[in-house]
Amino acid sequence: GDSVTQTEGLVTLTEGLPVMLNCTYQSTYSPFLFWYVQHLNEAPKLLLKSFTDNKRPEHQGFHATLHKSSSSFHLQKSSAQLSDSALYYCALSDRDYGSSGNKLIFGIGTLLSVKP
Amino acid sequence: NAGVIQTPRHKVTGKGQEATLWCEPISGHSAVFWYRQTIVQGLEFLTYFRNQAPIDDSGMPKERFSAQMPNQSHSTLKIQSTQPQDSAVYLCASSLVGTGGEQYFGPGTRLTVL
Repeated sequence: GDSVTQTEGLVTLTEGLPVMLNCTYQSTYSPFLFWYVQHLNEAPKLLLKSFTDNKRPEHQGFHATLHKSSSSFHLQKSSAQLSDSALYYCALSDRDYGSSGNKLIFGIGTLLSVKP
Repeated sequence: NAGVIQTPRHKVTGKGQEATLWCEPISGHSAVFWYRQTIVQGLEFLTYFRNQAPIDDSGMPKERFSAQMPNQSHSTLKIQSTQPQDSAVYLCASSLVGTGGEQYFGPGTRLTVL
């Protein structure tokens, strides 16, 4: 079945350094990929969604590129900010609308902690 | 737009008691999802409704868990004979119907089973 792998449970960075959170996936079809962010005591919110073509989605300084050849959708940012500290989930949604609709399959999540 | 509303925000039950969790999706959204969040397992899909019809309950524990959507404005998740391992944050999300649609999450209900 479909699955998402996030290899880092915790990433600790100093403010100003680049961010890269890893995400790889397995899917029978060609899925949509997402990054959701969850700040402490808040609901998860959509950060990025993959496009069908080669466009690179960007939001709040974060970007991710879908590489079908390596089944990856890593999240990157050039300079971490204190406010980026949060839990980040990579997720996929199958394109096979008829069977599973658009339920999300999540990775385990990566906790990003940005220090001054 | 109030977003997805979930009640109660916190619920404490004794082992063996029943718990009912409520979700009000965003008006106009016809897809409703339930997820469970724990530290160990992360976010797990439970069940999904589209236009009030149950579509996929592959993530639901077969015993004790049930979900309904009696009308377009609310859905319920019921857990019978709650066990300590059911302790988690239960999240409801809604979206417009369509593959790849953004899901909007509610604040969750934190269930604690003593």
